[in-house]
Amino acid sequence: GENVEQHPSTLSVQEGDSAVIKCTYSDSASNYFPWYKQELGKGPQLIIDIRSNVGEKKDQRIAVTLNKTAKHFSLHITETQPEDSAVYFCAASSGGYQKVTFGIGTKLQVIP
Amino acid sequence: DTGVSQNPRHKITKRGQNVTFRCDPISEHNRLYWYRQTLGQGPEFLTYFQNEAQLEKSRLLSDRFSAERPKGSFSTLEIQRTEQGDSAMYLCASRAKGPNTEAFFGQGTRLTVV
Repeated sequence: GENVEQHPSTLSVQEGDSAVIKCTYSDSASNYFPWYKQELGKGPQLIIDIRSNVGEKKDQRIAVTLNKTAKHFSLHITETQPEDSAVYFCAASSGGYQKVTFGIGTKLQVIP
Repeated sequence: DTGVSQNPRHKITKRGQNVTFRCDPISEHNRLYWYRQTLGQGPEFLTYFQNEAQLEKSRLLSDRFSAERPKGSFSTLEIQRTEQGDSAMYLCASRAKGPNTEAFFGQGTRLTVV
């Protein structure tokens, strides 16, 4: 089955700096890579996703890159703000949310 | 609130008891998923419904677990003879029809087995 590794497990940045979270996956059939933000006491919320036919996608301060050859994908958050503090999960799927595998999460702390 | 609703939010039960959780998906979302999330881990897939049909179950779903979605709307997840290892957050998500629709998660039910 799919194995998704995510690092770092914790990340502290100063407000205004950038944050980068990296993930690798094992199943070459995976073609959908969502990123979720989970705040304390809440369910995960999709913040951005990318499909295997695209190498990069950007949405305001958030960008995701995908290297299918190396089986790497990364989340980049620029100009971080305190409200970005949360746990971020990467995930990979080869077919729908019933086949999605999540990473262990990265706890991001943005220090004002 | 038109999001995914899960009840109860918290459940404490003694080992060996049965528990049932409920998930109300977003209206007209035909696909519904259950996940389990333990502390410090990402969600793990348990089972998937399309309308009232349970189309897929994970190996994680032992015989003590059963899920239903009788009318294709709300769903229940029952755990029989609970064990301490069942302690986790149980998350429900729903999706609308279509190939690239987003999955929306509920806030989860936190189960503690003592």
